[in-house]
Amino acid sequence: GDSVTQMEGPVTLSEEAFLTINCTYTATGYPSLFWYVQYPGEGLQLLLKATKADDKGSNKGFEATYRKETTSFHLEKGSVQVSDSAVYFCALGTNAGKSTFGDGTTLTVKP
Amino acid sequence: SAVISQKPSRDICQRGTSLTIQCQVDSQVTMMFWYRQQPGQSLTLIATANQGSEATYESGFVIDKFPISRPNLTFSTLTVSNMSPEDSSIYLCSVDMGQGWETQYFGPGTRLLVL
Repeated sequence: GDSVTQMEGPVTLSEEAFLTINCTYTATGYPSLFWYVQYPGEGLQLLLKATKADDKGSNKGFEATYRKETTSFHLEKGSVQVSDSAVYFCALGTNAGKSTFGDGTTLTVKP
Repeated sequence: SAVISQKPSRDICQRGTSLTIQCQVDSQVTMMFWYRQQPGQSLTLIATANQGSEATYESGFVIDKFPISRPNLTFSTLTVSNMSPEDSSIYLCSVDMGQGWETQYFGPGTRLLVL
């Protein structure tokens, strides 16, 4: 079945540091890939997505590229801020609404 | 966009009891979903709830344990029945606006602790 493996956390960085959160997947067919973010006390929000190989999703300074050859969708940001502290989830979907999620990675950014 | 509210936001319950979680959306949606997020684990889809038909449950989830109602296009409930401490989780409602992946929205979640 479909699965998503995320880099284990928690991750603690200083402000302006470079962020990478690794995500790899296994799936049948051609899934869409997503990164969601959950800020403290809030609901899950879609951060970015990519629907086919070599697509790059980007939003709020975050980027992730759909790499079919390595079945990866790593999340990156060049310079993190304290406000980026949250839990990040990698997910894949092959049918509307039926997403498979990774375990989540907690990011804490210190000033 | 869609704004989703859930009630209650959190609860502490005794084992053997049941809790009904409500999900309200500010616009009409065809597909609604219920997910569970157990402590330290990822989100797992419980079931898909479409208005006018019975909910479709994922493997490992059954209607007797998690009955779902979908009386109209803006509302759904999930009941966690005969609770045990293993049911302690965050339960999330999600909707699909039917316009593509970028239009999937999640509620704030209901944090349940079973003693």
